[in-house]
Amino acid sequence: AQSVAQPEDQVNVAEGNPLTVKCTYSVSGNPYLFWYVQYPNRGLQFLLKYITGDNLVKGSYGFEAEFNKSQTSFHLKKPSALVSDSALYFCAVRSSGSNYQLIWGAGTKLIIKP
Amino acid sequence: SQTIHQWPATLVQPVGSPLSLECTVEGTSNPNLYWYRQAAGRGLQLLFYSVGIGQISSEVPQNLSASRPQDRQFILSSKKLLLSDSGFYLCAWSPLHGSLATNEKLFFGSGTQLSVL
Repeated sequence: AQSVAQPEDQVNVAEGNPLTVKCTYSVSGNPYLFWYVQYPNRGLQFLLKYITGDNLVKGSYGFEAEFNKSQTSFHLKKPSALVSDSALYFCAVRSSGSNYQLIWGAGTKLIIKP
Repeated sequence: SQTIHQWPATLVQPVGSPLSLECTVEGTSNPNLYWYRQAAGRGLQLLFYSVGIGQISSEVPQNLSASRPQDRQFILSSKKLLLSDSGFYLCAWSPLHGSLATNEKLFFGSGTQLSVL
């Protein structure tokens, strides 16, 4: 079965420190991977995507993600966290069984402390 | 530029009452449209998607229905709400007509917090 796992419900990071939000996936065929961010009581915003090419993908707000095929992972990273990065982060993978269905992770709450 | 409008932002409804949530997209044509439900601030569940006027696909059997009376209008409805219908409902669109192409992304509305009491 195709799935996405975000193993951490919450990640706490001090401002200025590097952050990592983890995502692993299971999908048949080539994965198309996405990260979205959700601020409180708001819709989701696209951060970045991996389709093909370089394993390191750069996105909005200084975020980047590294695709690792052997570990089936797509971890979200940022070198220096800001308090304003505090939000809910979702990893998603396109299902090979449907052109319209994204498989979503359960989300990771990122808290950046000043 | 393209924008998506979703309303109302919050809604409190009694059990057994009808529901109508509306979503409209501006600045584009022939969008793919989606309704998602997010439970308890967490994972997203795709409820319906539409690739064109009058074309609705349901992903999960439930008490809800969707309609697309116009190209850029997507409506989520229920004849009789259940307690379990409470949640955060998100409308989204993607710009490529016909398929969620490998390089496409979703644009979300600001959501409706529905409380059924």
